[in-house]
Amino acid sequence: GAVVSQHPSWVICKSGTSVKIECRSLDFQATTMFWYRQFPKQSLMLMATSNEGSKATYEQGVEKDKFLINHASLTLSTLTVTSAHPEDSSFYICSAGVFDYGYTFGSGTRLTVV
Amino acid sequence: DAKTTQPTSMDCAEGRAANLPCNHSTISGNEYVYWYRQIHSQGPQYIIHGLKNNETNEMASLIITEDRKSSTLILPHATLRDTAVYYCIVRAVAGTGTASKLTFGTGTRLQVTL
Repeated sequence: GAVVSQHPSWVICKSGTSVKIECRSLDFQATTMFWYRQFPKQSLMLMATSNEGSKATYEQGVEKDKFLINHASLTLSTLTVTSAHPEDSSFYICSAGVFDYGYTFGSGTRLTVV
Repeated sequence: DAKTTQPTSMDCAEGRAANLPCNHSTISGNEYVYWYRQIHSQGPQYIIHGLKNNETNEMASLIITEDRKSSTLILPHATLRDTAVYYCIVRAVAGTGTASKLTFGTGTRLQVTL
């Protein structure tokens, strides 16, 4: 149980375009989802907390207009990287939790902006 | 959430027990100790968590000192597939029905060798 599916697993896009990443909880309802970013050889950095039916809470230094988060249902949250640039190339990971227990993470999305 | 300190890297021979330490000297009474691991280019995987009692599951054992200022994750018989970055995270429980964020430190890179 507690499976989180993240799609796509990798994407290459041109500079200036937008990319949408989906995070789905397959066998449970997730009132809260989290989005992380990880650069090579670094730890995971929390970008934002996504709450179903309300606006996301962004961490300090994360541009909310650039990283659009939508959590329209209890099983789906999306992260859209708008006007992507090479410096946005990274590994993006989502996680989902309902009660305060062990969280489940998606398999991650490798974004390369060329 | 309390800060944690882990060694940067450790080696372990296959078949031997891997003991990964974590210091969390500023832990509060309502904070749990969580362990996750991340295999290269994958999302983190939940291993185990505990409050003050030692815990064991099919993956590992968690030993928490009586003063709760440190803990040790034990992989009883390490295999090559256990090579990963192991993260010790301390966080408070926000309450039933809500989810609080996980903040990742730098973790310990465990290399299991033949």
